[in-house]
Amino acid sequence: GAGVSQSPSNKVTEKGKDVELRCDPISGHTALYWYRQSLGQGLEFLIYFQGNSAPDKSGLPSDRFSAERTGGSVSTLTIQRTQQEDSAVYLCASSIGHLRNTEAFFGQGTRLTVV
Amino acid sequence: AQSVTQPDIHITVSEGASLELRCNYSYGATPYLFWYVQSPGQGLQLLLKYFSGDTLVQGIKGFEAEFKRSQSSFNLRKPSVHWSDAAEYFCAVGITGTASKLTFGTGTRLQVTL
Repeated sequence: GAGVSQSPSNKVTEKGKDVELRCDPISGHTALYWYRQSLGQGLEFLIYFQGNSAPDKSGLPSDRFSAERTGGSVSTLTIQRTQQEDSAVYLCASSIGHLRNTEAFFGQGTRLTVV
Repeated sequence: AQSVTQPDIHITVSEGASLELRCNYSYGATPYLFWYVQSPGQGLQLLLKYFSGDTLVQGIKGFEAEFKRSQSSFNLRKPSVHWSDAAEYFCAVGITGTASKLTFGTGTRLQVTL
């Protein structure tokens, strides 16, 4: 596709359930990022993948959060045993390389509501 | 750790008026600095970025920003605002060597009155 695609666009889940959020980056982009946007909190870095390198997971808020990127393309962010404080918009972005030389393109996000 | 402060949560300006959105950062070295815009129902779009060199950076849609090291600021400006500029604006900082991990401010919501 022409841009970063995220699915689903909206997800409502019950507290305690697991959810999976998907991100399809722009074809050929080696870098992929996950951010979380909470009301009044700005964007919070979660995790960064770059090619075959070990991902930078330093932003994941707890061990209930995990992410993988299969084949260097599609990424899945998994939240286990969801809590109400996990409610937020989860944004994915991709770039062709270092942000000094290019830019990160963001998807429209997945709005997660935990009830 | 680096941090970004956008002191204005909400700003209202009249169409045609000038605009300045404030951004202050905290980081020990020269950072990479970015401004993004998020329009309703749209993804984040990069307006401009600063890495080095000329401290006045030109971006898309007629925006510019000036890096002032002495003030740790990277304020966004536009001489004449259009109604279509109404959106949320985010300042972000990336530390040198790993600009991948951007730290964003909490955003400034811009309202434009006709």
